[in-house]
Amino acid sequence: AQTVTQSQPEMSVQEAETVTLSCTYDTSESDYYLFWYKQPPSRQMILVIRQEAYKQQNATENRFSVNFQKAAKSFSLKISDSQLGDAAMYFCAYKEAGTYKYIFGTGTRLKVLA
Amino acid sequence: DAGVIQSPRHEVTEMGQEVTLRCKPISGHNSLFWYRQTMMRGLELLIYFNNNVPIDDSGMPEDRFSAKMPNASFSTLKIQPSEPRDSAVYFCASSGPLISGGTQYFGPGTRLTVL
Repeated sequence: AQTVTQSQPEMSVQEAETVTLSCTYDTSESDYYLFWYKQPPSRQMILVIRQEAYKQQNATENRFSVNFQKAAKSFSLKISDSQLGDAAMYFCAYKEAGTYKYIFGTGTRLKVLA
Repeated sequence: DAGVIQSPRHEVTEMGQEVTLRCKPISGHNSLFWYRQTMMRGLELLIYFNNNVPIDDSGMPEDRFSAKMPNASFSTLKIQPSEPRDSAVYFCASSGPLISGGTQYFGPGTRLTVL
């Protein structure tokens, strides 16, 4: 069965600095999608970034980028120039291509220090 | 696009009462999901609809929970009778066709408190 592991329950970063959140997953499939969702105190789950496994190029969305290592089954999120509004719970998620079910990690709480 | 719309945003009710949560998916999306989030259990998928048809309801906790999707733009999740252990945040999410990735977009959630 597929699993998603976020080994860092909590992280802190100084405003304007860079932080990397870790995510590893386990699957025997070759075609899948990986996601990072942000959940701020408002509780809404916001899609941050998506990566297709067949793409070698790492996805980037403004200050957010991923380091996708398919062989190592690693999918880390890098937040550059951290802002106070980045403070949230971040969830890593996996979805096998052609299926509907997400497998979520347990989340990493990110604190941004002024 | 307005995104996924949920109502109410907050609901406080007493044990035994009926609770109805509502969701309007993103226009054009053919898949709809109901999730429950608690501190203890994290995010749990309750039910998945595709083209208005329930495909997977294995996550529905018990008969007190029911969900409907009468048309492509509206779904409800009903709890009757409600119990304190149902207190949680309930999310609705929608996605486009699975063949194009099936990325889920979440609504703002309904925070339910059962006293």
